[in-house]
Amino acid sequence: SQQGEEDPQALSIQEGENATMNCSYKTSINNLQWYRQNSGRGLVHLILIRSNEREKHSGRLRVTLDTSKKSSSLLITASRAADTASYFCATVKGSGYALNFGKGTSLLVTP
Amino acid sequence: DTAVSQTPKYLVTQMGNDKSIKCEQNLGHDTMYWYKQDSKKFLKIMFSYNNKELIINETVPNRFSPKSPDKAHLNLHINSLELGDSAVYFCASSQDPGGGGDEQFFGPGTRLTVL
Repeated sequence: SQQGEEDPQALSIQEGENATMNCSYKTSINNLQWYRQNSGRGLVHLILIRSNEREKHSGRLRVTLDTSKKSSSLLITASRAADTASYFCATVKGSGYALNFGKGTSLLVTP
Repeated sequence: DTAVSQTPKYLVTQMGNDKSIKCEQNLGHDTMYWYKQDSKKFLKIMFSYNNKELIINETVPNRFSPKSPDKAHLNLHINSLELGDSAVYFCASSQDPGGGGDEQFFGPGTRLTVL
């Protein structure tokens, strides 16, 4: 299985703090993506990192990828209450480009 | 202007019924998907279509039949609904990059409850 596994399952922090989520996967990948899901909503793409990249930034987001350890991390800096959501990592599965999701990290940011 | 839309948003029905969920994307993408999210928020691919052709069918029961009348639509028909079909179903689309996958755009989801 290529399934990603996020760690921790749940994270509670205060506004202004940084939040770090980790993801591990089992097989080789084309790319790894992070998505956010607000309660009762669809998923929103945050960032994509390709297998030949090691780090990528987008605004307050920083993603790292270590293909030798088959792991990735998502760092959200200076978190806000609006960042409260579930975060999923997903690897691209085979030639059909379907996403293989992990179980997600539930992030709660309190004011 | 909704990029990926699904109807209905909520669907409550009895066991044994047949129901359909519609999905449309106005992004001009080549590939569309159906995902199922269970009560523990675990997301799993069900189907993938590229230019109206089935690419992926992930061990989904035959009661589930996707239909793609054109590149912008991928509908999901479910026969003989069972309690275990209760879940949130997400439609998604992506451009076909030919290089290993691209970001996907998700619809708002359809919450199916089978009684």
